[in-house]
Amino acid sequence: GQSLEQPSEVTAVEGAIVQINCTYQTSGFYGLSWYQQHDGGAPTFLSYNALDGLEETGRFSSFLSRSDSYGYLLLQELQMKDSASYFCAVRVLTGGGNKLTFGTGTQLKVEL
Amino acid sequence: EAQVTQNPRYLITVTGKKLTVTCSQNMNHEYMSWYRQDPGLGLRQIYYSMNVEVTDKGDVPEGYKVSRKEKRNFPLILESPSPNQTSLYFCASSPTGLSGANVLTFGAGSRLTVL
Repeated sequence: GQSLEQPSEVTAVEGAIVQINCTYQTSGFYGLSWYQQHDGGAPTFLSYNALDGLEETGRFSSFLSRSDSYGYLLLQELQMKDSASYFCAVRVLTGGGNKLTFGTGTQLKVEL
Repeated sequence: EAQVTQNPRYLITVTGKKLTVTCSQNMNHEYMSWYRQDPGLGLRQIYYSMNVEVTDKGDVPEGYKVSRKEKRNFPLILESPSPNQTSLYFCASSPTGLSGANVLTFGAGSRLTVL
């Protein structure tokens, strides 16, 4: 099966930079993605890495190292609205197709 | 507007009373999936479907059934609900291309309580 590990909680101040790490164990790796979920809301897609390196989307960047089975989400210029849960997810190939498995999530608290 | 619509949004039911949570997407996505979310456990996949008439078990399929008779619809069926199925349920869809497959669009969620 697959397993993903990410910190349960991270706290940072407004304007700072925060990094949320994700390590995974899986076979048939197909990509690492990140989702944001505000309290009471649905998860929304943030970023995706299929190959090693850094992907930048505005204030958010995501990094992947397939040899280390490791990735991270980098949030810059933190804003209060960034307080949410962040999930990493791996797409793996299965016999019948592919599936997307999520980590347990990291709750980010942004303080003044 | 491109979206995934699931109903009902909220439901309180009793043990053993069959229920169906509907899910529909208007993006012509091949891939659809159901997740349940419980505190501290993240999103766990129940079932997924690669395309019409193609479904497969996720990580927690026990007690659930699905069907994919049409591309746009992917209902979740609880034949005999039990209290341990009390949870927040999300339906999601995506294309199946290499990059698109990682970009799930989620419905707003269905909060189910089984008494």
